[in-house]
Amino acid sequence: DAGVIQSPRHEVTEMGQEVTLRCKPISGHDYLFWYRQTMMRGLELLIYFNNNVPIDDSGMPEDRFSAKMPNASFSTLKIQPSEPRDSAVYFCASSSPAGQYFGPGTRLTVL
Amino acid sequence: QKEVEQNSGPLSVPEGAIASLNCTYSDRGSQSFFWYRQYSGKSPELIMFIYSNGDKEDGRFTAQLNKASQYVSLLIRDSQPSDSATYLCAVNRDDKIIFGKGTRLHILP
Repeated sequence: DAGVIQSPRHEVTEMGQEVTLRCKPISGHDYLFWYRQTMMRGLELLIYFNNNVPIDDSGMPEDRFSAKMPNASFSTLKIQPSEPRDSAVYFCASSSPAGQYFGPGTRLTVL
Repeated sequence: QKEVEQNSGPLSVPEGAIASLNCTYSDRGSQSFFWYRQYSGKSPELIMFIYSNGDKEDGRFTAQLNKASQYVSLLIRDSQPSDSATYLCAVNRDDKIIFGKGTRLHILP
């Protein structure tokens, strides 16, 4: 298996623009998680899905953030409009009972 | 109280010595416990998980869990320079995995 796949790996955008991050989980994993990592706040859970259904989105910072999982092999995290404070590394992870496996992350810079 | 607490470090350990990383958690309902290693600029990588009280060994790594004290630790024997990284403790509660902020480990050659 190729592992968790994320795209793009790097994104630089201007404040106010829409940003869409993409994730393909490991086949057969029932759970998918979106995290944000910054030096100040560490690794923060934003939202997670079980069998494509959002279970807990309490970590989503505000209404500018939204996430979807239309099928078992694809998920998106959208920020609209983006702000400089959204700059971070965004990780997608999928899990089996033995643990979570992370994608390589998307480094987002909002100017 | 934060759900998962770790000393941020850096923890400096001479090459060949034992590195001891510690973590405490607040929710007694936590069911399983994980250690991740993260190299600078890379994603977290799962290295150990433990469910039951006691020790679990895997090569140079030993995870220790004490549910009564809400404490989990990771021992790295014969530390190598390649072990220099940030180590993240994580706990699973109701299918939600919560991470600590990590401890930076520096192995001194």
